[in-house]
Amino acid sequence: GAGVSQSPSNKVTEKGKDVELRCDPISGHTALYWYRQSLGQGLEFLIYFQGNSAPDKSGLPSDRFSAERTGGSVSTLTIQRTQQEDSAVYLCASSYFSSSIQYFGAGTRLSVL
Amino acid sequence: KQEVTQIPAALSVPEGENLVLNCSFTDSAIYNLQWFRQDPGKGLTSLLLIQSSQREQTSGRLNASLDKSSGRSTLYIAASQPGDSATYLCAVELGGAQKLVFGQGTRLTINP
Repeated sequence: GAGVSQSPSNKVTEKGKDVELRCDPISGHTALYWYRQSLGQGLEFLIYFQGNSAPDKSGLPSDRFSAERTGGSVSTLTIQRTQQEDSAVYLCASSYFSSSIQYFGAGTRLSVL
Repeated sequence: KQEVTQIPAALSVPEGENLVLNCSFTDSAIYNLQWFRQDPGKGLTSLLLIQSSQREQTSGRLNASLDKSSGRSTLYIAASQPGDSATYLCAVELGGAQKLVFGQGTRLTINP
């Protein structure tokens, strides 16, 4: 079937605005991950969802970041009061179960002006 | 804290050569190790996944090895082609943590 789909592919926003990034995982995959890729930091883990378990939020950089996963499928990453340092590519991945191969979407490039 | 290092940061070789990319990690208590490639402006594509109990995995011209006790993995690419040009990323999953810790990547260029 289709791969991991992320939208929008690009997002330009003004400092202080809120943004929502969407991820549609591969159908049937129970695990969903968000990562951030920036020039200075490389690829960093943000948050992980597995089935109906409480998410692992240990990678979220501040309380301005939150994410939810509705119905065990689509996930939304929300960044409130965006800052310039939030500019990065946000990547979503899913896997059939935890600790198996992760399949990545093409990412959302966020630019905060 | 787990740290993953990839050497070299960039590599340029002529087409047809065999090459090795290196990955090292500081905490040997890993659950698995994965190699990915990333093309410019694209997401990551999984190449090989090695479980902690395995020593190597092969897929076509790619062979990845894992020496957990020494904290090292190598990705061997045979008979390189221009289409192999990409950034190669190594990532480890700590036991029970599910999340991946990535290296900074090796940018590979294969010259025709």
